[in-house]
Amino acid sequence: SAVISQKPSRDICQRGTSLTIQCQVDSQVTMMFWYRQQPGQSLTLIATANQGSEATYESGFVIDKFPISRPNLTFSTLTVSNMSPEDSSIYLCSVEHRQGSQYFGPGTRLTVL
Amino acid sequence: AQTVTQSQPEMSVQEAETVTLSCTYDTSESNYYLFWYKQPPSRQMILVIRQEAYKQQNATENRFSVNFQKAAKSFSLKISDSQLGDTAMYFCAFMKLSPDDKIIFGKGTRLHILP
Repeated sequence: SAVISQKPSRDICQRGTSLTIQCQVDSQVTMMFWYRQQPGQSLTLIATANQGSEATYESGFVIDKFPISRPNLTFSTLTVSNMSPEDSSIYLCSVEHRQGSQYFGPGTRLTVL
Repeated sequence: AQTVTQSQPEMSVQEAETVTLSCTYDTSESNYYLFWYKQPPSRQMILVIRQEAYKQQNATENRFSVNFQKAAKSFSLKISDSQLGDTAMYFCAFMKLSPDDKIIFGKGTRLHILP
């Protein structure tokens, strides 16, 4: 399996600010994914990030609110922009290490005041 | 569109007992993967077991096994000899094959293993 790290592990932010979450994997992967898990809820896919192309966003998520970078095959960032308390969630990145196996990072717990 | 349904929001069993978590899904795809993920209080999502739809044999991983009924679109997880460390949220998940390899999660079952 792949080893995935995320920074920061948690943060408390003020309304209207932005936070960038980093995801690093220990091997080269083609596909990386960003998920949101709201309190007590399941995971919802935000977007798929492939190296060298624009991220593909799911319905209900837009690039202006959640810009994503994927500069190489081992790294990606997700920015949560102009935050509001409704953005308080756990944000997780995942990678497809081999077809049919997705592994997740430890998550970033975001609280917006 | 694919959907994943977990009908048991919460379950409790005594340590060392066997427990079965239910999952049904809906899809028109013929080739896909099914997963069970475990999320303990640490919130780390851990892949427990994976089943390829084209394989009739049920997947097993140590104390964890699945009952995959493709025609019925059912994918239950059996945990044998349950341990306190099995206490977690369990998510059933579906992934159709390429090109997008997106995973769709059920709402989860919170499992408590009681001493």
